[in-house]
Amino acid sequence: EDKVVQSPLSLVVHEGDTVTLNCSYEVTNFRSLLWYKQEKKAPTFLFMLTSSGIEKKSGRLSSILDKKELFSILNITATQTGDSAVYLCAVRWNAGGTSYGKLTFGQGTILTVHP
Amino acid sequence: DAGITQSPRHKVTETGTPVTLRCHQTENHRYMYWYRQDPGHGLRLIHYSYGVKDTDKGEVSDGYSVSRSKTEDFLLTLESATSSQTSVYFCAISESQLPETQYFGPGTRLLVL
Repeated sequence: EDKVVQSPLSLVVHEGDTVTLNCSYEVTNFRSLLWYKQEKKAPTFLFMLTSSGIEKKSGRLSSILDKKELFSILNITATQTGDSAVYLCAVRWNAGGTSYGKLTFGQGTILTVHP
Repeated sequence: DAGITQSPRHKVTETGTPVTLRCHQTENHRYMYWYRQDPGHGLRLIHYSYGVKDTDKGEVSDGYSVSRSKTEDFLLTLESATSSQTSVYFCAISESQLPETQYFGPGTRLLVL
């Protein structure tokens, strides 16, 4: 069964801390891995990764993919209270015979940043 | 969020009643999706549409049907709601099949008693 597993499921830190969120996957015909941030409403897109070892960066957030070991990490440095959210990982893969790339989500990591 | 709305935003219903959720977009995007989000499961695709009257099943389609009679509206129907369908439902739209182009509506909280 194809699956995407995130860890930890929840994390509580203080402002200024650095956090690392993990996403491991086991799918057939991997296409890409995506990270989203969800703050009590709709998920918003952060990054898409398709190649191993190439870091994507946006401000204090960065992410990297390891296609050999089948995982990705999302790093957030100098955390702020506004980083409190659920972080979702999703993997796009192709089911045989269909051109539509399926998207399978992990359970999410709940990050709480205290002042 | 301005280009995609969902209605109702909250609904409480009883087991066995039919329920229809509406997703409306003003972006003229070809692709529309319905997901449900439950604790411990992330988001799971229910149904999607790749054009007017063109729909297909996702991974958790049992108990749900959809219709898309015009580009801007994608309806999700629970023919006979069950408590297991209590969830938060998100609609998403995209210009292409690329998932990074999907963006999500505000969600509908459905409680089936």
